[in-house]
Amino acid sequence: DAGVTQSPTHLIKTRGQQVTLRCSPISGHKSVSWYQQVLGQGPQFIFQYYEKEERGRGNFPDRFSARQFPNYSSELNVNALLLGDSALYLCASSYRRVEATEAFFGQGTRLTVV
Amino acid sequence: AQSVTQLDSHVSVSEGTPVLLRCNYSSSYSPSLFWYVQHPNKGLQLLLKYTSAATLVKGINGFEAEFKKSETSFHLTKPSAHMSDAAEYFCVVSDSLQGAQKLVFGQGTRLTINP
Repeated sequence: DAGVTQSPTHLIKTRGQQVTLRCSPISGHKSVSWYQQVLGQGPQFIFQYYEKEERGRGNFPDRFSARQFPNYSSELNVNALLLGDSALYLCASSYRRVEATEAFFGQGTRLTVV
Repeated sequence: AQSVTQLDSHVSVSEGTPVLLRCNYSSSYSPSLFWYVQHPNKGLQLLLKYTSAATLVKGINGFEAEFKKSETSFHLTKPSAHMSDAAEYFCVVSDSLQGAQKLVFGQGTRLTINP
């Protein structure tokens, strides 16, 4: 079975631009969460999507948005990029959205803003 | 809010010796705890999870962790380190945010294995 897949693997953007990152969850998983991992730190929760609706958002500005499609894949959009948005963006899929559910992570998309 | 603290930012051991990575948690109720490993330029892999069943949890690759409520700890151990264990390890607690599952990560412990 395929794991969580993310694309692209690497991306370089200029300040002020917009970026879209993509994630395909494990087959049968209905929940997709997005995390930002800045170099040298642990990942930080951005938001979770379940059954195509946003279910919770971390402490991130409105420049960050996402959507989930009927096949449960997801896109993360970041507008008006800042240098500080440079990070590894991780997608996690899980079968349910409740606590104690195992989350499986993709390889991540490395975003560099110059 | 739930939180975890990893007590060591860097641990260095020799190959074949025991590994101990320390984690303390803060929770207002019985937590769900995880350990994840991240190899260089890779995503996160689940090592093991605790969800209020047995307090000693066995994971993959010979790792195990013991939940101690009296000490609010969830330390990760392995009897004998292997070179392939060199990686970043994250202690994680699951929290609920607006009905969503939010994983709260520690700062990470970098494990170095000396030959």
